[in-house]
Amino acid sequence: QKEVEQDPGPLSVPEGAIVSLNCTYSNSAFQYFMWYRQYSRKGPELLMYTYSSGNKEDGRFTAQVDKSSKYISLFIRDSQPSDSATYLCAMSAGSNYQLIWGAGTKLIIKP
Amino acid sequence: EAGVTQSPTHLIKTRGQQATLRCSPISGHTSVYWYQQALGLGLQFLLWYDEGEERNRGNFPPRFSGRQFPNYSSELNVNALELEDSALYLCASSIQAVEQFFGPGTRLTVL
Repeated sequence: QKEVEQDPGPLSVPEGAIVSLNCTYSNSAFQYFMWYRQYSRKGPELLMYTYSSGNKEDGRFTAQVDKSSKYISLFIRDSQPSDSATYLCAMSAGSNYQLIWGAGTKLIIKP
Repeated sequence: EAGVTQSPTHLIKTRGQQATLRCSPISGHTSVYWYQQALGLGLQFLLWYDEGEERNRGNFPPRFSGRQFPNYSSELNVNALELEDSALYLCASSIQAVEQFFGPGTRLTVL
């Protein structure tokens, strides 16, 4: 079993829909949780960074961490075709530990 | 503030040759990470350098090697190139091993 599980998709939704992307993990030591967006043939871009449990909002994006269930989510409101990309989750136990990556979910927003 | 830079953008080599990829981190960042991303696949961790020392290494053969220079820039060397080494090679930098900021990548093609 991988430490971080993420459905590769693709996930296809109509423009304007709310998108929910998720990752599950097995290591209870993880405390730092990140979401990256990667456009085709480009480097990943850090979208959201959360420490421990709870929610964090930034514009149309909300990151949610449920440590009791070992489950993290990224919500995208009012989705746009420009949101079409691969979304990768990543997590770490701390600053001296390596990031552990999900496989990435390919998201397609249909106009 | 300048982001992570990588050179060259594209690199074409033949089997058995050596490739050298370069990365300059964000100013003030002391850690550099190298990842391999084959087409359609997730990020595979290669190497982590911090303060000039190799901190960790992924599950890759010894022909993948690198170093970090006193100015924190880094070099990835791949010897005896094989066809399956064709991939996007991504460099990321960090001031602590939590948030990582990526460069645009070097696309290596082995013919």
